[in-house]
Amino acid sequence: QLQLQESGPGLVKPSETLSLTCTVSGGSISSSSYYWGWIRQPPGKGLEWIGSIYYSGSTYYNPSLKSRVTISVDTSKNQFSLKLSSVTAADTAVYYCARHPHWDCSGGSCYSDYWGQGTLVTVSS
Amino acid sequence: AIRMTQSPSSFSASTGDRVTITCRASQGISSYLAWYQQKPGKAPKLLIYAASTLQSGVPSRFSGSGSGTDFTLTISCLQSEDFATYYCQQYYSYPPAFGPGTKVDIK
Repeated sequence: QLQLQESGPGLVKPSETLSLTCTVSGGSISSSSYYWGWIRQPPGKGLEWIGSIYYSGSTYYNPSLKSRVTISVDTSKNQFSLKLSSVTAADTAVYYCARHPHWDCSGGSCYSDYWGQGTLVTVSS
Repeated sequence: AIRMTQSPSSFSASTGDRVTITCRASQGISSYLAWYQQKPGKAPKLLIYAASTLQSGVPSRFSGSGSGTDFTLTISCLQSEDFATYYCQQYYSYPPAFGPGTKVDIK
């Protein structure tokens, strides 16, 4: 059974960098069949796509966040990571990692068939 | 970027009801549409992809239809466990975009 688990600090100060890791178990992140990505949800609000990565390292970022986002993959640890720089209170959200079937993507745009449980990151001094 | 809208934003229904949720894209997205169910404090769960393909393990009372700009999610006989918020998502072009959600609660 595939499982994704987010980990990282739950509190980040304004202007600092948010860093999260997603550990994948029950499946290989090196599979050519999937992208792996991040999606966030501010408290009480809707879902926003952040970006995704292929095991080879190729990435897609949401243009609205592109200047601040870096997603990387560590195949040896079966993990991928998110860094979001210069955070403000507007970046407070539950951050989810997810898996995206590669064969059904359109130009890097995909749906998500497995999700982590999510982790709340609060930006506050 | 493609924008997604949903209607209604919320409504009340009873167990056993047939319910329909509508999703509209700001431009044509062929059949590149997914539906998710989210319960409070939980991650979204994929119900349907490619507008009408049921994800493995999802009950057959859920169905999806539509193409182009207009889509619907139908629950044929609402069960107690179906009270949740439902989101549509386009994956025709980058970036993928979600609708604002439709909350279904108990009448």
